[in-house]
Amino acid sequence: QKEVEQNSGPLSVPEGAIASLNCTYSDRVSQSFFWYRQYSGKSPELIMSIYSNGDKEDGRFTAQLNKASQYVSLLIRDSQPSDSATYLCAVQSSGGSYIPTFGRGTSLIVHP
Amino acid sequence: DGGITQSPKYLFRKEGQNVTLSCEQNLNHDAMYWYRQDPGQGLRLIYYSQIVNDFQKGDIAEGYSVSREKKESFPLTVTSAQKNPTAFYLCASSNPGLSGEQFFGPGTRLTVL
Repeated sequence: QKEVEQNSGPLSVPEGAIASLNCTYSDRVSQSFFWYRQYSGKSPELIMSIYSNGDKEDGRFTAQLNKASQYVSLLIRDSQPSDSATYLCAVQSSGGSYIPTFGRGTSLIVHP
Repeated sequence: DGGITQSPKYLFRKEGQNVTLSCEQNLNHDAMYWYRQDPGQGLRLIYYSQIVNDFQKGDIAEGYSVSREKKESFPLTVTSAQKNPTAFYLCASSNPGLSGEQFFGPGTRLTVL
């Protein structure tokens, strides 16, 4: 059974701070990793994808991947109240049907 | 504009009725998916299809049915056999493969009265 674990939160950070969201996964052959943002009552929106070890930056977002530790994280710099949402981690393996496994998400609250 | 549409946005059903949720995409994606999300829960896969005229059961297929007659369309029927159908239903599409990010429609919120 492939598992993707996230702390449900809520993670509360002040405006302007760095928010750090973490995700661990159980399947060692996982190859693709995605972060989605989901506002309350809305559908998930893809914000980052990462496929190799290291960091990938896109604007205020940085995804970090460590396959040896089976760990992927999302950093949000200069957090804004509009970043308040649930962040879903998804992990996809190379074998089989390429169906991603989603974590339950971490709720982030950015307070002014 | 390319994207995924789902209709209706809100749906109310009486117990014992079948209802069909629509999902259409114009992204030219081969694969389409249906997920269910309950409050405070993650996404649970109901059915997926990686090619026209073929589909596979996901983790919670009981009480649901799908069809994939066209590449653009993947409707989901919630049957009366689904004991607890009240949930948020999400349709997604992607191109299969390791870099196949999924893109989601706006969702349908189904309530059983």
